[in-house]
Amino acid sequence: SAVISQKPSRDICQRGTSLTIQCQVDSQVTMMFWYRQQPGQSLTLIATANQGSEATYESGFVIDKFPISRPNLTFSTLTVSNMSPEDSSIYLCSAKTLENTGELFFGEGSRLTVL
Amino acid sequence: QKEVEQNSGPLSVPEGAIASLNCTYSDRGSQSFFWYRQYSGKSPELIMSIYSNGDKEDGRFTAQLNKASQYVSLLIRDSQPSDSATYLCAVNDRGTSYGKLTFGQGTILTVHP
Repeated sequence: SAVISQKPSRDICQRGTSLTIQCQVDSQVTMMFWYRQQPGQSLTLIATANQGSEATYESGFVIDKFPISRPNLTFSTLTVSNMSPEDSSIYLCSAKTLENTGELFFGEGSRLTVL
Repeated sequence: QKEVEQNSGPLSVPEGAIASLNCTYSDRGSQSFFWYRQYSGKSPELIMSIYSNGDKEDGRFTAQLNKASQYVSLLIRDSQPSDSATYLCAVNDRGTSYGKLTFGQGTILTVHP
């Protein structure tokens, strides 16, 4: 298993600003992902964070809006840029472990409110 | 576009009953399947995984997979109020190593005393 820590756990942001969410895993993992969960909705994959290279974005998400870094096997950041109220959501960091059972472990999430 | 569909909720069952949650998926190449439970305000936690056709039991939980019908289900026996949560079906499209999970919209389960 893996324990995933995210920070901040929540924040209130002003329109037009940017916020970076940090994700730290307690062990080496193979893959890291960033999901968004809008109020009352399921999880939507934003991107796969690739170690040492550009993230792989899903349809509808772009690097300029959601730049992602993954400098090593246990750490990643997601930035939500130029925020608008529509970006108010929970952002979840997740990872697959080296055991490769296929399951995802999730951090506790970062709840962002954009005013 | 690969889709994962869950039976619409919310689902309400009395304590002690069997709760049945259903999920269909569009990608016939999908290889691994997961059920997550999400309590309000919390992150999802894995409760069952299944990779082969048939049933897999873990305590009060049974996952059922039918790849020919592209159908996966979760049965919760002897439902307890603590089982009240949103249940998310997730499908991995390229095996365990590299594929990403696609989630269904979730089914809200309420177990009433």
